[in-house]
Amino acid sequence: HSVLTQPPSVSGAPGQRVTISCSGNSSNIGNNGVTWYQQLPGKSPKVLIYYDDRRPSGGSDRFSGSKSGASASLAISGLQSEDEADYYCGAWDDGLNGPIFGGGTKLTVL
Amino acid sequence: QITLKESGPTLVRPTQTLTLTCSVSGFSMSAFGMGVGWIRQPPGKALQWLAIIYWDNDVRYNPFLKTKLTITKDTSKNHILLTLTNMDPMDTATYFCARTVTTGSFDYWGPGTLVTVSS
Repeated sequence: HSVLTQPPSVSGAPGQRVTISCSGNSSNIGNNGVTWYQQLPGKSPKVLIYYDDRRPSGGSDRFSGSKSGASASLAISGLQSEDEADYYCGAWDDGLNGPIFGGGTKLTVL
Repeated sequence: QITLKESGPTLVRPTQTLTLTCSVSGFSMSAFGMGVGWIRQPPGKALQWLAIIYWDNDVRYNPFLKTKLTITKDTSKNHILLTLTNMDPMDTATYFCARTVTTGSFDYWGPGTLVTVSS
């Protein structure tokens, strides 16, 4: 029941910049903060961005978030091989009265 | 250091009830605004939120699974328990517990525990 829509996959060469989109509606992204998670293979998710565009303490500045209306984006600059992972967006949904996640985007570094 | 760790059976039979335990350390479950949630991930699939219990015992359930779930906490043991009834092979997943202090965001996660439902 993923309510947030993400592209299934994105790819880029080392050093390039890629963006991952996350589309929702006025009940979730349009009215609440967006969190971006990185999930490396076999690991648990890790917060990259919270409150739309804030990085956790110690987080890499190669990752940045933005939001406009009911859509959000995660940008990854200076791609590295270790960035290969699944990326999820998340937000509180006022209708669900709980958090929801996107379907996930698999990043491949060519 | 904030840590969470899931534990419970790794194999359950269809129709059985599953109880998972999340053991937390490094923060107080009684602190204002604190919450612990359960999220699951079927193999190769996306994350799905299940339930959250807050510092004041307020609970939220995914409405699509509400009849199947019960979340409780034992503050004295720093445990959060999740019970799922009438397990089905489609409930096969890695189950994570995670801390939340802001609406919709989980900042610390356990490593997860894989639960397989099979006869």
